[in-house]
Amino acid sequence: GAGVSQTPSNKVTEKGKYVELRCDPISGHTALYWYRQSLGQGPEFLIYFQGTGAADDSGLPNDRFFAVRPEGSVSTLKIQRTERGDSAVYLCASSPVAGGVGEQYFGPGTRLTVT
Amino acid sequence: AQSVTQLDSQVPVFEEAPVELRCNYSSSVSVYLFWYVQYPNQGLQLLLKYLSGSTLVKGINGFEAEFNKSQTSFHLRKPSVHISDTAEYFCAVSSSGSARQLTFGSGTQLTVLP
Repeated sequence: GAGVSQTPSNKVTEKGKYVELRCDPISGHTALYWYRQSLGQGPEFLIYFQGTGAADDSGLPNDRFFAVRPEGSVSTLKIQRTERGDSAVYLCASSPVAGGVGEQYFGPGTRLTVT
Repeated sequence: AQSVTQLDSQVPVFEEAPVELRCNYSSSVSVYLFWYVQYPNQGLQLLLKYLSGSTLVKGINGFEAEFNKSQTSFHLRKPSVHISDTAEYFCAVSSSGSARQLTFGSGTQLTVLP
């Protein structure tokens, strides 16, 4: 079946611009996660959705970052006033069970470059 | 708070040799442990996981890992590696809290040499 998909695969933007990154989870998966992977590092947790609500947004670095999942499926990560330090690969993962034993299925990521 | 330490950032090994990638974690609560592999230009793929029960866990592609609670370790092993095993390997821990987000180590680049 189809896995987690993310669009775009690459995004180059200028400092100060606004960007949106999209995630399509595996059909039927109720839990959705966003992570950020900087060069040479492991992924870092940003936000967790259970259904439509953000159940845990403790990993968002500041208020320039925001994410939504209005219908409990597709999610969009939004970054305002981008900074060069936001450059990273943004990963989305979904899981079939609410907070269930942590097995997460990852998408290929969106590589964001802020110039 | 949880943390994961992968002691080796790079591990070169010759084809058909055994390999061990080391992972230590710290957590104040019970945890679930995972190893993920990331091939070049691909997403993270689950290799294996420890949730409970037997401390020796077998995964895909001939990999296995052993959970050692007293040493807070979850080392990954393979008795004979192939060129195709060249990839970045990440150890991760998930708490038993409601979100169960993963905390990853910084990764180990395994390079299998001919």
